Amino acid sequence: AQSVTQPDIHITVSEGASLELRCNYSYGATPYLFWYVQSPGQGLQLLLKYFSGDTLVQGIKGFEAEFKRSQSSFNLRKPSVHWSDAAEYFCAVGTLKAAGNKLTFGGGTRVLVKP
Amino acid sequence: EAGVTQFPSHSVIEKGQTVTLRCDPISGHDNLYWYRRVMGKEIKFLLHFVKESKQDESGMPNNRFLAERTGGTYSTLKVQPAELEDSGVYFCASSPAGAYGYTFGSGTRLTVV
Repeated sequence: AQSVTQPDIHITVSEGASLELRCNYSYGATPYLFWYVQSPGQGLQLLLKYFSGDTLVQGIKGFEAEFKRSQSSFNLRKPSVHWSDAAEYFCAVGTLKAAGNKLTFGGGTRVLVKP
Repeated sequence: EAGVTQFPSHSVIEKGQTVTLRCDPISGHDNLYWYRRVMGKEIKFLLHFVKESKQDESGMPNNRFLAERTGGTYSTLKVQPAELEDSGVYFCASSPAGAYGYTFGSGTRLTVV
């Protein structure tokens, strides 16, 4: 069965500093990986996704993630954090089926941005 | 294009009552998903519709939960009778046929007291 672990429940970062959120997955085949963000009062917004190809994926809002098969990781990074990045971030792994895709989520990492 | 709409955004009910959550997917999206996040836990899959048919309902916790999708358009998720452990945020998502990513709604926060 697939699973996703986000080891950090909370992270506090100063505005302008870099941010890295960790994600480790367990999946028997080639994974299909996502990062979502949930800002207060909002739904889940897709930041980026990885199917195949280049292991460094660019997303929206200046985020990027790197797929490392050898480490079963898909860490999310941003070079310079803005106050609006304060939110909860979720890593997810899915199956790659045209008939529909069930996602398995990690527990989330809540990011607090200090001025 | 309108996004995925869920209502109500919040619902507070007493244990034993019935609650119905509604999801309006993006127009034309065949796939509709329900997920749930119970306090402090992961977001978990509940079920998946393709048009009006249930493709996968392996995540439905028990028979107190009933999901329907009338005419392949909007979907409802009914909890009857509600229990305290049903409290959480219920998310709906939709996608076109053959798509590998989907769009989530903003969720319904259900509190059972």
